[in-house]
Amino acid sequence: GESVGLHLPTLSVQEGDNSIINCAYSNSASDYFIWYKQESGKGPQFIIDIRSNMDKRQGQRVTVLLNKTVKHLSLQIAATQPGDSAVYFCALKGQAGGFKTIFGAGTRLFVKA
Amino acid sequence: GAVVSQHPSWVICKSGTSVKIECRSLDFQATTMFWYRQFPKQSLMLMATSNEGSKATYEQGVEKDKFLINHASLTLSTLTVTSAHPEDSSFYICSASRRGLYEQYFGPGTRLTVT
Repeated sequence: GESVGLHLPTLSVQEGDNSIINCAYSNSASDYFIWYKQESGKGPQFIIDIRSNMDKRQGQRVTVLLNKTVKHLSLQIAATQPGDSAVYFCALKGQAGGFKTIFGAGTRLFVKA
Repeated sequence: GAVVSQHPSWVICKSGTSVKIECRSLDFQATTMFWYRQFPKQSLMLMATSNEGSKATYEQGVEKDKFLINHASLTLSTLTVTSAHPEDSSFYICSASRRGLYEQYFGPGTRLTVT
């Protein structure tokens, strides 16, 4: 079945530095990948997504990289700000999962001022 | 656009009682709605998927008679936790998607505390 894992449970970065959050997945049939940000007591907030026919997508201060060969997904946040402090989840969808969104374990990002 | 709301945002109930949580898509028709549960410091676990007008499909290990899901219209789904127990205390989050589209829009969540 599909599973999603994260390499690090917590990440601490200095304000202004770049952050990289990694995610590994197991099922090669996954074809849609999403990064969510969740602040305490709130629902997940969409950050950026990428389809399996792409290997990079950029948004405002965020970039998602997809390496299908090694089944690895990463989220890069440029010039990290205190407001970026939250838990970040990678998630994926694919036909093998019945088009359900499967969430990874989450990485807590701490931004030090 | 694509706003999903939940009501209530938090609820406290006594053990043995039932509580209903509403999930609404405010500006779009949600043909599919999903219900998740999230325990502290854990990820979101999918409980069930419901399509408008159909019975919900529950994930393995989720009791369908305890967590009643109704998706009677294209803008409203409800989750009723029946005979709630303290171990049902959790953060319940719904999400909704349009027909044929991958994007899911999440609600703000409902904090349930069973005393």
